[in-house]
Amino acid sequence: QQQVKQSPQSLIVQKGGISIINCAYENTAFDYFPWYQQFPGKGPALLIAIRPDVSEKKEGRFTISFNKSAKQFSLHIMDSQPGDSATYFCAASLNSGGSNYKLTFGKGTLLTVNP
Amino acid sequence: DAGVIQSPRHEVTEMGQEVTLRCKPISGHDYLFWYRQTMMRGLELLIYFNNNVPIDDSGMPEDRFSAKMPNASFSTLKIQPSEPRDSAVYFCASSPRAGGYTFGSGTRLTVV
Repeated sequence: QQQVKQSPQSLIVQKGGISIINCAYENTAFDYFPWYQQFPGKGPALLIAIRPDVSEKKEGRFTISFNKSAKQFSLHIMDSQPGDSATYFCAASLNSGGSNYKLTFGKGTLLTVNP
Repeated sequence: DAGVIQSPRHEVTEMGQEVTLRCKPISGHDYLFWYRQTMMRGLELLIYFNNNVPIDDSGMPEDRFSAKMPNASFSTLKIQPSEPRDSAVYFCASSPRAGGYTFGSGTRLTVV
């Protein structure tokens, strides 16, 4: 059972363009939604995260938009750069303050930013 | 802090052999997670610990897989006997209570 569905599987964007990656979740009890960035040969690294009490969070060129009623959230990368080329994972967790805290990851999106 | 440290970085072994992967989490992190990453299945949670106690091992694929966390600074994931379908990148991650994960650089396992 895939609890977090991510799309698209791959994305090609021109330098300076906007990259948009979408995720949908099923469990309304999820209470923490991070995005991770992974470069080849490296482990995923936390990029930005949001909780369901806000609809948007921005950090530099990266923005998470969150739609609680639609059970969707998305990552926007403004002014995309070749250095942003990586695999991006969305994730969601239950009980982020409890003893059974764990993340469920989407399948990932391979982003390529052409110069 | 040196981050989450995994060893070895690469492991090539023959089918049927025992494989042990090691992880040193970030000091002070309450949680430790073992993930497996493949092209087909993405990131799969195998098992995780809270304060050295296994909380959920439902992702461990078979009895051939076992994990231990004898203390707060060390964990192992063992596969015995190994099979070619176990070939993957295995990640260890640690987290403070209710915080984001920090992943190690992974161990690329190849079983021939």
